[in-house]
Amino acid sequence: GESVGLHLPTLSVQEGDNSIINCAYSNSASDYFIWYKQESGKGPQFIIDIRSNMDKRQGQRVTVLLNKTVKHLSLQIAATQPGDSAVYFCAEFREYGNKLVFGAGTILRVKS
Amino acid sequence: SAVISQKPSRDICQRGTSLTIQCQVDSQVTMMFWYRQQPGQSLTLIATANQGSEATYESGFVIDKFPISRPNLTFSTLTVSNMSPEDSSIYLCSVEDPQEQGSSPYGYTFGSGTRLTVV
Repeated sequence: GESVGLHLPTLSVQEGDNSIINCAYSNSASDYFIWYKQESGKGPQFIIDIRSNMDKRQGQRVTVLLNKTVKHLSLQIAATQPGDSAVYFCAEFREYGNKLVFGAGTILRVKS
Repeated sequence: SAVISQKPSRDICQRGTSLTIQCQVDSQVTMMFWYRQQPGQSLTLIATANQGSEATYESGFVIDKFPISRPNLTFSTLTVSNMSPEDSSIYLCSVEDPQEQGSSPYGYTFGSGTRLTVV
């Protein structure tokens, strides 16, 4: 199987429950944040993003919350489905160098 | 968003050899990026490759080990040179491209990666 995620924290949820995945970022100057989903054998796929002038943004079944005071991001997934099982990464955009910096990642396992 | 094709998708290589990974994009993009994802780890940026200029490497990565070419706006290669088992990782190409979803006009699209095992 995939070795990605071997050392990453795991969140196990029951199908239909809500999931909350947390991420701490490091640079208070970062002004743009993205959540990615990485399935086995694939590259990261965009889920939702948020700019630093916002504290909440909603998409379809997903919500991102940003707390700049403590440099914390969370991704909430409503009514989690088996297809949501993947590794989730937050990434912060650093304008200096024009690059993304990825957080540690969390494995989400959905139990049917 | 852009569609990225990476080749090879996986390879098993002998230590001491080199492997060149190709990244082809279906549209012209200014900025291309190469990442490494070691087993059980997150993504780490290796370098930024812009057409017409030398690649910019991140701390801990050097051109002699990871030479990069960017001959045009749709293509780039990353070579992993003189490989050792510690180079076993997934290598991913990414581009900055216009996006319709999201709160920013530009986003970052990733290829499926090249899974490299060095024996």
